[in-house]
Amino acid sequence: SQQGEEDPQALSIQEGENATMNCSYKTSINNLQWYRQNSGRGLVHLILIRSNEREKHSGRLRVTLDTSKKSSSLLITASRAADTASYFCATPDLDSSYKLIFGSGTRLLVRP
Amino acid sequence: DGGITQSPKYLFRKEGQNVTLSCEQNLNHDAMYWYRQDPGQGLRLIYYSQIVNDFQKGDIAEGYSVSREKKESFPLTVTSAQKNPTAFYLCASSVSRGGEQYFGPGTRLTVT
Repeated sequence: SQQGEEDPQALSIQEGENATMNCSYKTSINNLQWYRQNSGRGLVHLILIRSNEREKHSGRLRVTLDTSKKSSSLLITASRAADTASYFCATPDLDSSYKLIFGSGTRLLVRP
Repeated sequence: DGGITQSPKYLFRKEGQNVTLSCEQNLNHDAMYWYRQDPGQGLRLIYYSQIVNDFQKGDIAEGYSVSREKKESFPLTVTSAQKNPTAFYLCASSVSRGGEQYFGPGTRLTVT
């Protein structure tokens, strides 16, 4: 079964606006990761947040983690057209932590 | 210039033929992975390898085979037993269990 589920499935915003994507998961985790995928390309790791962290920043990215609600959010501030991509959350599998379980992603469109 | 390479970028095959997708990394990572991605979907794990000469089935291994004879290489064979092989295939590697994964650019396989 899928561990992470992103919400919304698709998001369209104007350049300069903020974009928020959410991820919910089902079991306890060691960490949660966010990846970006441009159309037809491989995934790029954005940020990893550990289970004992509540918030993490990287440039225009802000990730929060609420382990009591089993949810995480990714905020992209001051979005640019180049941020147009699909965004996935992923968590290590409990049985084999080598495995990452990916959600189905949020497709973000930033209109210039 | 470190990274993961996958070749070819596009691959076309006739139904009933086996086809091998290449994945090479020079990151000195022990763990390597193969994922399948269908349109508008997340990633599903086919096989992974924690170390040379060892590999484990992922969630959708039927119809696929792999080998890991060298640390740098993890080729994936899509056999004629795979009922719906047309998809986007992504290779990845990681330095540690549950950590950040580095992805190749992907191979888009079309079987007709």
